[in-house]
Amino acid sequence: NAGVTQTPKFRVLKTGQSMTLLCAQDMNHEYMYWYRQDPGMGLRLIHYSVGEGTTAKGEVPDGYNVSRLKKQNFLLGLESAAPSQTSVYFCASSYGTSRPEQYFGPGTRLTVT
Amino acid sequence: AQSVSQHNHHVILSEAASLELGCNYSYGGTVNLFWYVQYPGQHLQLLLKYFSGDPLVKGIKGFEAEFIKSKFSFNLRKPSVQWSDTAEYFCAVWAGNNRKLIWGLGTSLAVNP
Repeated sequence: NAGVTQTPKFRVLKTGQSMTLLCAQDMNHEYMYWYRQDPGMGLRLIHYSVGEGTTAKGEVPDGYNVSRLKKQNFLLGLESAAPSQTSVYFCASSYGTSRPEQYFGPGTRLTVT
Repeated sequence: AQSVSQHNHHVILSEAASLELGCNYSYGGTVNLFWYVQYPGQHLQLLLKYFSGDPLVKGIKGFEAEFIKSKFSFNLRKPSVQWSDTAEYFCAVWAGNNRKLIWGLGTSLAVNP
């Protein structure tokens, strides 16, 4: 039982490049989330999904897109990376409303130069 | 709008000192409350949670928290901290039909040996 996994762990991009971060969970969780963590700013929600095929915007969605084609996977895309997107990205999942505690992946450290 | 406030941004303690971290939230209805811990370089882990019942909840590693409904508070406590408790601590609230956690900005705890 791996829990929540994220790939890659580290990535360096040049401005304007694109990439996709993959989050996978094996707990049959319904809800999945993408956060970014920056010093002094806590966790900020980028996008989330409350079930396969659904996505919704969080508080900082600009510059990111997501897809949830399979229940166990939640992809975060950066179409044209900017230095402001340098951050640590965490994926999390939960059963949903009845059990809302979230379980986190190990994170992806992204640097955009 | 719902919000979570953590009053202490940085706390420095010596080993064996007692710890109390404040957390207040703004929401008048039923809430689920959480404390998460993030050790240096790691992801967030659930420390403890409150859903209902006894307002004093015990978590892992000797931590406990008390829910005081009249004060909209969920303070984290530990009687005697250790150097290994050095970490960032986040309070979070699940409220209403939000379908997402509302996070505090975190408290950085440094414990000196």
